Amino acid sequence: AQSVTQLDSQVPVFEEAPVELRCNYSSSVSVYLFWYVQYPNQGLQLLLKYLSGSTLVKGINGFEAEFNKSQTSFHLREPSVHISDTAEYFCAVRGSGGSNYKLTFGKGTLLTVNP
Amino acid sequence: EAQVTQNPRYLITVTGKKLTVTCSQNMNHEYMSWYRQDPGLGLRQIYYSMNVEVTDKGDVPEGYKVSRKEKRNFPLILESPSPNQTSLYFCASSPGTGHTGELFFGEGSRLTVL
Repeated sequence: AQSVTQLDSQVPVFEEAPVELRCNYSSSVSVYLFWYVQYPNQGLQLLLKYLSGSTLVKGINGFEAEFNKSQTSFHLREPSVHISDTAEYFCAVRGSGGSNYKLTFGKGTLLTVNP
Repeated sequence: EAQVTQNPRYLITVTGKKLTVTCSQNMNHEYMSWYRQDPGLGLRQIYYSMNVEVTDKGDVPEGYKVSRKEKRNFPLILESPSPNQTSLYFCASSPGTGHTGELFFGEGSRLTVL
């Protein structure tokens, strides 16, 4: 079984500032890792994913995340946020084997970008 | 346009009145799943289906039923809704076998049970 901990429930930041949203996971097997974004009154949209290979993955809207196996982390970073990045962000993990494609989600981090 | 469509998007009902939330995907995906989202709890899986006529329980299946008679449809049935089923529900799909498991989500259905 897997679990995900998002260390910050809310992150306020000013426009054009850098931001890091933290995610730690636990798993006894190899994993795939995902970040999803949920804008107000919308469904979840995939931001980026780590499957294998390079530990630095780039996603949409300038976001990137780094997989750190030794620290079991997958932190999301954005060097310069915009007002439109205000949303809730979910980190998710899935074991790389098995037949249930269940994603285990963290509880979410609400990013609020202020002018 | 590739999408997962849920209906209704918003529903207020009363305790005990059976309801169905429909989910349809047009991507020919094998795998479909239902999640509920509650404040402070993130998303939790209710049921999933690996293919037609193959369904199984997720982490929080109590009070729910599903069926998968056609590949594109995966309705969620609440036979006797209770207030603790007030939640935001998401249907999701994935190509399935051999795929990395990225989920494609619908827009969500907000259910209130009085």
